[in-house]
Amino acid sequence: EIVLTQSPGTLSLSPGERASFSCRASESITSNYLGWYQQRPGQAPRLLIYGASSRATGIPDRFSGSGSGTDFTLTISRLEPEDFAVYFCQHYVDSPPTWTFGQGTKVEIK
Amino acid sequence: EVQLLESGGGLVQPGGSLRLSCAASGFTFSRYAMRWVRQAPGKGLEWVSAISASADYIHYADSVKGRVTTSRDNSRNTVYLQMNNLRVEDTALYFCAKAASTSYGDGSAYHFGSWGQGTLVTVSS
Repeated sequence: EIVLTQSPGTLSLSPGERASFSCRASESITSNYLGWYQQRPGQAPRLLIYGASSRATGIPDRFSGSGSGTDFTLTISRLEPEDFAVYFCQHYVDSPPTWTFGQGTKVEIK
Repeated sequence: EVQLLESGGGLVQPGGSLRLSCAASGFTFSRYAMRWVRQAPGKGLEWVSAISASADYIHYADSVKGRVTTSRDNSRNTVYLQMNNLRVEDTALYFCAKAASTSYGDGSAYHFGSWGQGTLVTVSS
């Protein structure tokens, strides 16, 4: 079973700053199946990035994803007030079909 | 606009059953795989089940296998989650989610493209 570990658990930043956080897989994974989601308080998650680096429809270009193998990163170039939320990475494997989420990184206002 | 509306949650005793529904609109439902994801209070996300567009492939997380059944009615644009023998640890907000695309070649279909607002299941005596 592949485990996704996100770090840090919490990131304290100010609006306008750059945010960058990690998703590390317990073994090498297929980039096509790595996604990132944002969850604001009281809301459902929203797909930000699929295939490790492709932005979903309507996602601002301040969000970018990168990485391969076991190490993946989500970067927000300049934090907007609405970006303070929890971010989850997610991966799919096909033997057997299983979707796994990381435990989340909370981006909070400093 | 894609809309997913879950219903059927509530308070149930351990060992009880619930049937969750997710009514979809704003897209061609019969072309997309659908999934259920849950979130325990204050916790992270856990995938529960997945059903392909024509219901020929259905998969479950080990934590619920043998206790839940996912089905869909493409004529009603609705996906269901029948939950039996519920446990305290099944307490969570249950979201239905639509596959991000119908394209499996580039992997995009394996992501969760749209989510409902969830329905709360509380298992307690």
